[in-house]
Amino acid sequence: ETGVTQTPRHLVMGMTNKKSLKCEQHLGHNAMYWYKQSAKKPLELMFVYSLEERVENNSVPSRFSPECPNSSHLFLHLHTLQPEDSALYLCASSQDGGGGSGANVLTFGAGSRLTVL
Amino acid sequence: AQSVTQPDIHITVSEGASLELRCNYSYGATPYLFWYVQSPGQGLQLLLKYFSGDTLVQGIKGFEAEFKRSQSSFNLRKPSVHWSDAAEYFCAVGTNAGKSTFGDGTTLTVKP
Repeated sequence: ETGVTQTPRHLVMGMTNKKSLKCEQHLGHNAMYWYKQSAKKPLELMFVYSLEERVENNSVPSRFSPECPNSSHLFLHLHTLQPEDSALYLCASSQDGGGGSGANVLTFGAGSRLTVL
Repeated sequence: AQSVTQPDIHITVSEGASLELRCNYSYGATPYLFWYVQSPGQGLQLLLKYFSGDTLVQGIKGFEAEFKRSQSSFNLRKPSVHWSDAAEYFCAVGTNAGKSTFGDGTTLTVKP
């Protein structure tokens, strides 16, 4: 498999559930990202990992917890979410996360559509 | 901080007609500029990018974009639109710090 793969593609959860989103990249990239895409809002950067270290956390509520066990895998652990957290969560990767052109060319997965009831 | 403005929320064109999607950016230095396309239920796919050099860049699917520094613009063009081009298009500006900022997107509808 090539590119960036996200699972599950669709997830429905209650506000008291705990679930996780998974992202895997097969591109040999060193940086991975989580973005949130809500209706009628611009793409919001949530987290950035470069060489498995978190380098960016854009004031994301603690009910979202990222994990990057290696440069190919990225998880987003979800717990006690709110209905306003319903959105499309996009994972992306780039050649590196340190800056410059390599950090800016993003390859996206197809997204995980999350609905919080 | 950098910012991106896509003035057109929604554009409708007839199949075979030409297309231009507008993008204006704000950034203090020479930016990295991108156009991405998102089909329904999918992630974003890179159409083209500008880093330096020739200000007219060619991308996939017959798209091109022109960087105009004096106008802080990076407009996307296609001479003849196909029905399969219907999608949402995002302009993005990147920096040396490795941060990309996206515009709000333009939804393209193609009339038969």
